Amino acid sequence: NAGVTQTPKFRVLKTGQSMTLLCAQDMNHEYMYWYRQDPGMGLRLIHYSVGEGTTAKGEVPDGYNVSRLKKQNFLLGLESAAPSQTSVYFCASSYSGLDTQYFGPGTRLTVL
Amino acid sequence: SQQGEEDPQALSIQEGENATMNCSYKTSINNLQWYRQNSGRGLVHLILIRSNEREKHSGRLRVTLDTSKKSSSLLITASRAADTASYFCATDLSGAGSYQLTFGKGTKLSVIP
Repeated sequence: NAGVTQTPKFRVLKTGQSMTLLCAQDMNHEYMYWYRQDPGMGLRLIHYSVGEGTTAKGEVPDGYNVSRLKKQNFLLGLESAAPSQTSVYFCASSYSGLDTQYFGPGTRLTVL
Repeated sequence: SQQGEEDPQALSIQEGENATMNCSYKTSINNLQWYRQNSGRGLVHLILIRSNEREKHSGRLRVTLDTSKKSSSLLITASRAADTASYFCATDLSGAGSYQLTFGKGTKLSVIP
């Protein structure tokens, strides 16, 4: 039982490049989330999903897209990376919307 | 958007002492959660307290919730060096259809051996 895993752990991009972050969970959770964490800040919700095939915007969705084609996977895409997207990205999942969230180890992204 | 605010921002104590951190929020909630984050790692859930509960315990952790004051506190008793971490409170929005947690900026706890 791996819990929540994230790929990759680190990535450096140049401005304008694109990339996809992969989140996988093996707990059969319906809900999945993508957050970003910047220095001295709490987590801010980017997008979330309440089930396979559904996605919704969070607090800071601009510049990101997501897809949930399979229940266990939640992908976060950056179409044209900007330096402002330099951050640590965390994926989380939960059984229900008001339940405990289980977090992945994070992806540290630097955009030059 | 609604946000929990932790206080203090940073706390430094000696091993064996108790650590208390507080969280205030703005609007009605269904529940409030506390998470711990070790440096460079993901968040780990500690305790969830529902709006109709006033106190909850888990090992050396004690959480209180005062909905009239819109505040919560996390007490760590007999602290250990391994408790060094950042602690975040997270609140949801009461009412139907709210699937989002809002996290505060955290309290950075340092426990000195």
